[in-house]
Amino acid sequence: DAKTTQPNSMESNEEEPVHLPCNHSTISGTDYIHWYRQLPSQGPEYVIHGLTSNVNNRMASLAIAEDRKSSTLILHRATLRDAAVYYCILRTIQGAQKLVFGQGTRLTINP
Amino acid sequence: NAGVTQTPKFRILKIGQSMTLQCTQDMNHNYMYWYRQDPGMGLKLIYYSVGAGITDKGEVPNGYNVSRSTTEDFPLRLELAAPSQTSVYFCASSYSRTGMNAQYFGPGTRLTVT
Repeated sequence: DAKTTQPNSMESNEEEPVHLPCNHSTISGTDYIHWYRQLPSQGPEYVIHGLTSNVNNRMASLAIAEDRKSSTLILHRATLRDAAVYYCILRTIQGAQKLVFGQGTRLTINP
Repeated sequence: NAGVTQTPKFRILKIGQSMTLQCTQDMNHNYMYWYRQDPGMGLKLIYYSVGAGITDKGEVPNGYNVSRSTTEDFPLRLELAAPSQTSVYFCASSYSRTGMNAQYFGPGTRLTVT
């Protein structure tokens, strides 16, 4: 899977929007952009994924740049429960068995 | 939907003991996976299955065995537990292996071998 780059950490306040960036300049045309998160002492949790168009679900929105070299995960109103490490990964259309998480972004939410 | 469920949540084993970690999914997913995650580290794939009756090794299969007799269940067997198997074990499932589909994880089993 192609490489992604994320900031090590970010901080935000409760009930404010959070924009988590991810750069993936070597993305190929068939790579899907996936976001997962891992809360403290819990299993990884799927958040959202997309290919070219922006995507929304009940947890978050995914904004994908027109050239697909970057994307942003948007949490519309952060809660304390959103404090986690967020991972942006690319998955090819052919796929692979294993998910490979990079270092991710540790998101801290202030009350 | 319960999603992916795992039992037990916690277990302490003595060296040389055996146990089975249970994993069940109710999403009718073909693919199921077992990962382990050591403290501060990433996921390592132990075994995976592409459907009932079909399993294959991941990157760290030694000391473990799996079976997949039904679509829903994918138990992981530890034989002759060793301290190196102290870890958190996550089961996951997905509809397919492609990038079009997500993997959904269970809550994990925290295993200590002493």
